[in-house]
Amino acid sequence: DSGVTQTPKHLITATGQRVTLRCSPRSGDLSVYWYQQSLDQGLQFLIQYYNGEERAKGNILERFSAQQFPDLHSELNLSSLELGDSALYFCASSPGRSSGNTIYFGEGSWLTVV
Amino acid sequence: GENVEQHPSTLSVQEGDSAVIKCTYSDSASNYFPWYKQELGKGPQLIIDIRSNVGEKKDQRIAVTLNKTAKHFSLHITETQPEDSAVYFCAAIPWGDYKLSFGAGTTVTVRA
Repeated sequence: DSGVTQTPKHLITATGQRVTLRCSPRSGDLSVYWYQQSLDQGLQFLIQYYNGEERAKGNILERFSAQQFPDLHSELNLSSLELGDSALYFCASSPGRSSGNTIYFGEGSWLTVV
Repeated sequence: GENVEQHPSTLSVQEGDSAVIKCTYSDSASNYFPWYKQELGKGPQLIIDIRSNVGEKKDQRIAVTLNKTAKHFSLHITETQPEDSAVYFCAAIPWGDYKLSFGAGTTVTVRA
């Protein structure tokens, strides 16, 4: 158990809908990362937050947004869902914001868009 | 940005044999190289990592080597066991960057 908690574990929704994925980082970790894993794309970095502020952005679509709350949990919002958004979404956390910090992953949220 | 290439994409070994996975990276500023193991239906689990000031690190049956000049690093698993069957990912982070860049993954199958 990495200590990173993600909910829900599985989610099935229809195209055009909106979903929210939730993440609680490891105790004491200030950075939260979101990654998308699909069969043909591998692990793709979406976005990082550090202590409530956005720090880095990757290949995140405009239909997706995220935030980190004062209690350090984070939410990833996916809207106007398309079939191609079906994937595993991982949250990860690390103590600090700089490179070289060990990053631990949660078990993921499996999103299926039908 | 950083680009990490990983080989092979699949690897089948007999139980008890060794497995080696190799990765190359493009950004000479990369200074942290973790390896993750992902079992079916689970998240990536950190199994070992190495920093650029170290050439080799070992943890029981797992070892990682780093060649900064050639910009490649490798994972070595000795005395493989069936529970080593999983997908393994290498990754790199350049100094000053915040995100892991992953290799495409290696599916390791240990035959009993």
